[in-house]
Amino acid sequence: KNEVEQSPQNLTAQEGEFITINCSYSVGISALHWLQQHPGGGIVSLFMLSSGKKKHGRLIATINIQEKHSSLHITASHPRDSAVYICAVSNTGTASKLTFGTGTRLQVTL
Amino acid sequence: NAGVTQTPKFQVLKTGQSMTLQCAQDMNHEYMSWYRQDPGMGLRLIHYSVGAGITDQGEVPNGYNVSRSTTEDFPLRLLSAAPSQTSVYFCASRRTGRQYGYTFGSGTRLTVV
Repeated sequence: KNEVEQSPQNLTAQEGEFITINCSYSVGISALHWLQQHPGGGIVSLFMLSSGKKKHGRLIATINIQEKHSSLHITASHPRDSAVYICAVSNTGTASKLTFGTGTRLQVTL
Repeated sequence: NAGVTQTPKFQVLKTGQSMTLQCAQDMNHEYMSWYRQDPGMGLRLIHYSVGAGITDQGEVPNGYNVSRSTTEDFPLRLLSAAPSQTSVYFCASRRTGRQYGYTFGSGTRLTVV
């Protein structure tokens, strides 16, 4: 079993829909990261969370430390949101090392 | 600030050839790391460095060498390329401290034939 599991693996939505991507982890962590990767592109850090909730524009990230679960929400989705969204965790004791999920591929259509 | 710069963006090597993937950052970040990304798998840590002169192995270090002579640069060397090293390679950096996030480079797509 991978230490970081994401669901769904693939997601297709219509423009304007509310989107949720989930991440579960099985290890103790110091922080959880949400990353975005456009096709053929580099990786951009969206959020780093150790508790609670963060919001940036139409993106919202939440984390429940007790349940070892995080969600990334996209409100009013747009085709430019089409990308792979990656969850990663920094393990306790080795805070500079990341363990990655396999990503969720999102396609938003008109 | 340029952030994290990786060169080259694309490279094709023959089996047995050697090459160096370059990574440079201008943010004075202490921590730098190399990852490889393969289809169907999460990114995996190859090597990392917590400061100039200090390097350590990650999850998949075999076939790769690194050095950190300056804070800015963290090159990844393939001594004798193998087809199994065909992958997309990402460099990332961050400041020391758990409150800081990561900055990633744009990646190097390497094909070994």
